[in-house]
Amino acid sequence: ETGVTQTPRHLVMGMTNKKSLKCEQHLGHNAMYWYKQSAKKPLELMFVYSLEERVENNSVPSRFSPECPNSSHLFLHLHTLQPEDSALYLCASSQGAGAQLNYGYTFGSGTRLTVV
Amino acid sequence: GEDVEQSLFLSVREGDSSVINCTYTDSSSTYLYWYKQEPGAGLQLLTYIFSNMDMKQDQRLTVLLNKKDKHLSLRIADTQTGDSAIYFCAESNDYKLSFGAGTTVTVRA
Repeated sequence: ETGVTQTPRHLVMGMTNKKSLKCEQHLGHNAMYWYKQSAKKPLELMFVYSLEERVENNSVPSRFSPECPNSSHLFLHLHTLQPEDSALYLCASSQGAGAQLNYGYTFGSGTRLTVV
Repeated sequence: GEDVEQSLFLSVREGDSSVINCTYTDSSSTYLYWYKQEPGAGLQLLTYIFSNMDMKQDQRLTVLLNKKDKHLSLRIADTQTGDSAIYFCAESNDYKLSFGAGTTVTVRA
């Protein structure tokens, strides 16, 4: 158990479906992140929440909608996705940011998403 | 800029040393990191180095930092089959980390 739990582990959805990815951390961290991992590409930062407020949205298409109801939970709502959105979606959390990031991030195991 | 670059593949014989290299662009990065990803898992922090250091050793791992060239390397001594994984280099910018594409290390008998 890494301290950051993501569900589901695997998800197959059609292009017209609506689904949500869930991330939960019990580490007392105050920042949470969504990353997209595609094969042989750098991890793409999608969203950053610090103290439950979104601080960055990296030009992510509106078919991805994040929600952070409290400091322990982060969701990624998905609707009308495209096949190129198939990837591993990783959630991470950290205590502090910027110069305080000496301990880096704690990652979840990811959700493997396949859009058909 | 926030580009982190690393080679995609490395094959090493069991018992030899592995060296994974990385270049980064943000000279103001406070910390630089190495993460390991095993199949079906998320990224696990292996080690990190503060930007005012040029070397850090932690058991079989040695991190070397050349700030002038913006070059970071990870050396794994006595590489074992359990070291087969994808290794990611990352730099800190403001409040977030920027990652490379990962180096897939394959350990052969």
